[in-house]
Amino acid sequence: ETGVTQSPTHLIKTRGQQVTLRCSSQSGHNTVSWYQQALGQGPQFIFQYYREEENGRGNFPPRFSGLQFPNYSSELNVNALELDDSALYLCASSKGQGDTEAFFGQGTRLTVV
Amino acid sequence: QQQVKQSPQSLIVQKGGISIINCAYENTAFDYFPWYQQFPGKGPALLIAIRPDVSEKKEGRFTISFNKSAKQFSLHIMDSQPGDSATYFCAASSRAGNMLTFGGGTRLMVKP
Repeated sequence: ETGVTQSPTHLIKTRGQQVTLRCSSQSGHNTVSWYQQALGQGPQFIFQYYREEENGRGNFPPRFSGLQFPNYSSELNVNALELDDSALYLCASSKGQGDTEAFFGQGTRLTVV
Repeated sequence: QQQVKQSPQSLIVQKGGISIINCAYENTAFDYFPWYQQFPGKGPALLIAIRPDVSEKKEGRFTISFNKSAKQFSLHIMDSQPGDSATYFCAASSRAGNMLTFGGGTRLMVKP
C-alpha cells in the first residue's frame, strides 16, 4: 500500500449535481496530483497542487477545481456533472518539487446517471 | 496534445514466457519514464522507472529498455506468472513528480 488514501471509494451522482472527492497524501508528501481514468483508458492529468497552490493543469474545463489544505490533504470538486465525468478519479502524491516518484491512491469510482 | 503511444492493447502469454510491451513518445522534453501496474479496482502502482541517460534498467523480473534516438521504450517481464495478469501503463514526464502523460494501457493475461 502507498499510504495515499481516497474517499469515498464509490459514488453515484445525478447529472447536473456537484461532487467533492478527497485525498490524504502519503506522509511527508506535499505535492498532490489528480487524474481522471475513463474505463479502459490511461489516466489523464487534471491538475497538481504544491503547498496549497495550483501549479499545473491539464485539458479540463474550469468546472473541475481543487484545493490543498495546510496538512497537504486535497479535494477535487466537479460542478455541473456530465455523464462523461463517470470515471475513476485518482490522487497521486509526491515529495516537494524535486525529482521524486508519485504514488497513487486506490481511486474513487464516480458514476453519473 | 503530448502523447505516449502504447502497444499492444492486449497480450496473452504462457506461464514462464516473456511479456513485452512497447511505448513511443513525441516530446523530447520528457525525462522520466515509469511503468505502472494496475489491478482491477485499484490505483496504478509504480513498477520501475528509467531516465534517458541509461539504455536499460533491471529490477527482478522487470526490465526497461530505452532507445532515446527512436523515442521508444519497452517493458520486458521475464518468467511471466499468472499473478502478473494486470493492466500495464507506460508514462512519461519532464520530472518524476510532475504531470504524467500515460499510454493507453496493455491488458496482460498470463495463462497457467
